[in-house]
Amino acid sequence: DVVMTQSADSLAVSLGERATINCKSSQSVLDSSNNKNFLAWYQQKPGQSPKMVIYWASTRESGVPERFSGSGSGTDFTLTITSLQAEDVAVYYCQQYHSAPYTFGQGTRLEIK
Amino acid sequence: EVQLLESGGGSVQPGGSLRLSCTASGFTFRNFGMSWVRQIPDKGLEWVSTVTNGGDVSYYTDSVEGRFTISRDNSKSTLYLQMNSLRVEDTAIYYCAKAIYYDGLFEYWGLGTLVTVSS
Repeated sequence: DVVMTQSADSLAVSLGERATINCKSSQSVLDSSNNKNFLAWYQQKPGQSPKMVIYWASTRESGVPERFSGSGSGTDFTLTITSLQAEDVAVYYCQQYHSAPYTFGQGTRLEIK
Repeated sequence: EVQLLESGGGSVQPGGSLRLSCTASGFTFRNFGMSWVRQIPDKGLEWVSTVTNGGDVSYYTDSVEGRFTISRDNSKSTLYLQMNSLRVEDTAIYYCAKAIYYDGLFEYWGLGTLVTVSS
């Protein structure tokens, strides 16, 4: 199984500042057949279901603000939120969908400092 | 607008059974893989099972293999999860999720239904 590990369980950032969440996979999730990284990021706000925000490691889902971006390849990935807003308070999960069992990171709780 | 509405959750004793349903609308159900993902309240996410769009292929996480069965009725736009031999550790919120591009990429999620296994 591919183990997904997020570097922080929680993170506090001031409003308007940059938030960076890191995720590492135990195996590469880069598929050589299409050169795509099978890595997604989900946002789960309090009391809500998860919402997909980034897929293919760096493609922003429709309707997601431009301040959200994803980067990385192979085994190391980053979700960046530039200029943090109050509505971005949530738990963020990375997930690999390269192969079953599809696995998630443990989640990073993003709070306002 | 895509909507996924789960039902069938509740409280059951260890060893018991439950059947979850997920009614979908707002998209052509038969064209997409569907999954169940669970979450212990205030804990992380765990993929449980996926079925392909045609319903012919399904797969499971190891801990539920042989106890849970995923299925779908494309004529009713409904996804199911039959859960047998339930254990205390199966207690969680169960979400139905719609796939996009690949079966394991979860584009939309339902609101979830709570399953509590306790004596």
